[in-house]
Amino acid sequence: QVQLQESGPGLVKSSETLSLSCTVSGYSISRGYHWGWIRQPPGKGLEWIGTIFHTGSTYFNPSFKSRVVMSVDTSKNQFSLKLSSVTAADTAIYYCARNVRLTAELDHWGQGALVTVSS
Amino acid sequence: QSVLPQPPSASGTPGQRVSISCSGSSSNIGSNTVNWYQQLPGTAPKLLIYANSQRPSGVPDRFSGSKSGTSASLAISGLQSEDEADYYCAAWDDSLNGPVFGGGTKLTVL
Repeated sequence: QVQLQESGPGLVKSSETLSLSCTVSGYSISRGYHWGWIRQPPGKGLEWIGTIFHTGSTYFNPSFKSRVVMSVDTSKNQFSLKLSSVTAADTAIYYCARNVRLTAELDHWGQGALVTVSS
Repeated sequence: QSVLPQPPSASGTPGQRVSISCSGSSSNIGSNTVNWYQQLPGTAPKLLIYANSQRPSGVPDRFSGSKSGTSASLAISGLQSEDEADYYCAAWDDSLNGPVFGGGTKLTVL
């Protein structure tokens, strides 16, 4: 079955860059689907960050557009997120998910990675 | 303020039927399909309903979704204690060019 797993530092200093990877198993990224990042601040709701296709095409939430970079590595079956100039407001659980086409249907999710931004 | 307002809380007793609403606009629910997610405490969201009313394999038929115009709703019949969770609606937004989520509804089984 399809599984996703986030990995990366759990603590990032303010003004630095948050970096996370999502490793996919049970499905080859190069076969298709879109792949997304969603975050959830502690005790709050879900917020879409961006989506990437296996070809490298990207779609970003305008709220993050100037700070976010996404990439895909089909040889490792991974995709990645970099969010620069982080502040305490970026403290959240970051989820990666498989996106069915360009829709709001996210049919498989990672378990989430808590990233805390410290001053 | 969430793009898709939902009631912050809902409750019911075991066996009851509860409904959770989700409001949108012409750029999201009005022109795209609605999905619902269930988030049990301490876990990742799980797709519960897709394409307005379809259930993924393994989701009990106690869960049903509907959409009318720019609003959608999730109904849970035969409420069970394990249904206690946060529920989120989501739809693609043509203005954002990405998915938008509701603020979430915390369901309590009394």
